Amino acid sequence: QLVLTQSPSASASLGASVKLTCTLSSGHSTYAIAWHQQQPEKGPRYLMKVTSDGSHNKGDGIPDRFSGSSSGAERYLTISSLQSEDEADYYCQTWGTGIHVVFGGGTKLTVL
Amino acid sequence: QVQLVESGGGVVQPGRSLRLSCAASGFTFSSHGMHWVRQAPGKGLEWVAVIWYDGSNKYYPESVKGRFTISRDNSKNTLYLQMNSLRAEDTAVYYCARVDGYSGYDYLDYWGQGTLVTVSS
Repeated sequence: QLVLTQSPSASASLGASVKLTCTLSSGHSTYAIAWHQQQPEKGPRYLMKVTSDGSHNKGDGIPDRFSGSSSGAERYLTISSLQSEDEADYYCQTWGTGIHVVFGGGTKLTVL
Repeated sequence: QVQLVESGGGVVQPGRSLRLSCAASGFTFSSHGMHWVRQAPGKGLEWVAVIWYDGSNKYYPESVKGRFTISRDNSKNTLYLQMNSLRAEDTAVYYCARVDGYSGYDYLDYWGQGTLVTVSS
């Protein structure tokens, strides 16, 4: 079964960097994922797609502060120079033939 | 620019029906798969339904299969979700989202702002 695992929460200081992790379940380590940001009281926003080789494809208008990478079954979202508006929930999402859409449980990022 | 605007949400009694709409603009609607995704209050994202670019394939999770129907009118650039036999656990904000591709098998690259459905007596 394809499952995405995310830590429920993370925190970092204003101006610092943070790395969020999304882990693919066993047997699915080659899958690409997408990262989505959901600011309070807003709909989700696509950030980027991250493949197993670490390449990423950003959405329109996503700042360079946001980057993606991979290692094994883990997919990462790194946000540098944290700003207050980065405080949000971050979801990873994947897909596959017959699987359609799977979401991780989300990580709530707090900017201190 | 790409825009997805949901409508049709509201308060409905258990067992009743509701139809949601998603008006698309700024892209060739007939070239993209589309999803409905919902979010219960304080919870994460849950996939609800997917439809291929031409309406040829539709899929649902077990939680809504047999009760919800996804459809689209490519001549009107509009996506629909017919929800029947509504339950309290269907209470959520419902989002439509575009697939980066023709089928349902790819990432979601644009989202609407959502419409709230509350199922309550």
